[in-house]
Amino acid sequence: DTAVSQTPKYLVTQMGNDKSIKCEQNLGHDTMYWYKQDSKKFLKIMFSYNNKELIINETVPNRFSPKSPDKAHLNLHINSLELGDSAVYFCASSQISTEAFFGQGTRLTVV
Amino acid sequence: AQSVTQLGSHVSVSEGALVLLRCNYSSSVPPYLFWYVQYPNQGLQLLLKYTSAATLVKGINGFEAEFKKSETSFHLTKPSAHMSDAAEYFCAVSDDGNYQLIWGAGTKLIIKP
Repeated sequence: DTAVSQTPKYLVTQMGNDKSIKCEQNLGHDTMYWYKQDSKKFLKIMFSYNNKELIINETVPNRFSPKSPDKAHLNLHINSLELGDSAVYFCASSQISTEAFFGQGTRLTVV
Repeated sequence: AQSVTQLGSHVSVSEGALVLLRCNYSSSVPPYLFWYVQYPNQGLQLLLKYTSAATLVKGINGFEAEFKKSETSFHLTKPSAHMSDAAEYFCAVSDDGNYQLIWGAGTKLIIKP
């Protein structure tokens, strides 16, 4: 039974489109995250939610909007996709100050 | 602000040789420290963690790391490298009470036959 699952695993889309990535965790964690990993493998945190409340909102374009309908789900919606958005996006969850559990990633390719 | 430095973006060792991946952090208080591994096209998996208990931490797949407060280091070691250890390794630190993990830039471990 997958602890942190995100869909889709691969996403190829054209510039200007709007797309969403979904994430669900069944670990009972209070905190969920979205990370972006670029081609050089550098991990950058984008957002973090704790009990459905946004607690970390790093400098990302307004085109990226997270939404947490409940503490087990954290979705990422991206408007007007650009070439530079191509990356691997990881969802993760944790309890405070403990290790994060990661999903398998969504490889987004904007063409 | 916290920072994590991983020395060497690429480390190459021969199969059977010692693996040493370096991680230094900046913190005035003992943090929580983590090592993660990322195999190609996969998510990150926790290798081991330090949470202010024993300073020598054993993890999965034969890896271990030692917390040295005086050196603000948390280096990862494995006595004998295996081909299956080829992956990207990340060091991360969390301040007590902080929601955010601070990540190193990662080290790619290459195993030579």
